[in-house]
Amino acid sequence: DARVTQTPRHKVTEMGQEVTMRCQPILGHNTVFWYRQTMMQGLELLAYFRNRAPLDDSGMPKDRFSAEMPDATLATLKIQPSEPRDSAVYFCASGSRGPPPKNIQYFGAGTRLSVL
Amino acid sequence: AQSVTQLDSQVPVFEEAPVELRCNYSSSVSVYLFWYVQYPNQGLQLLLKYLSGSTLVKGINGFEAEFNKSQTSFHLRKPSVHISDTAEYFCAVSRQGGKLIFGQGTELSVKP
Repeated sequence: DARVTQTPRHKVTEMGQEVTMRCQPILGHNTVFWYRQTMMQGLELLAYFRNRAPLDDSGMPKDRFSAEMPDATLATLKIQPSEPRDSAVYFCASGSRGPPPKNIQYFGAGTRLSVL
Repeated sequence: AQSVTQLDSQVPVFEEAPVELRCNYSSSVSVYLFWYVQYPNQGLQLLLKYLSGSTLVKGINGFEAEFNKSQTSFHLRKPSVHISDTAEYFCAVSRQGGKLIFGQGTELSVKP
């Protein structure tokens, strides 16, 4: 059963600490997306990668957030330093570029981050 | 630029009643349309999609949606809801292989 795996599922940290969230995309998918969900903003795209190269990170605060794909099986989202306003659920999704149904995105279960 | 508007933030309904969750989109180019469901404390699950072809699409759990190009709508319907359908539903658009633009979500609450 192919699925997107995110770790950790929950993270509680103190303001100023570094947070790293990890995502394992579905094998064979070449596109990885990071979304953030908050009550106020809803679901918004932070960044996405295709073939490990960043395509769009315009939704990401550049001063404290960074996203990388060290290899095809791992994507990371880091926040340093973290702030209380970063508290949210962070979702990773993977898919492929191309005609349907390749372009469907599949979501992980999310990382629920609480910054105190 | 693309945008999605879900016209109802909350929809309360009684069990076994029909339901319609409304979604309108705007885009200057052809897009693909999706409905995702999110159960409490879980990730997003694809409910159904319109990619091309027939404008009436059927999804999981008895849901269906109709793509209306002239009205730029993609409303979600179910003829008879169950308690287990209580969840948040998101309408989304994307271009081929690109990012999803989500609506603000509609909270469906099914009461006995």
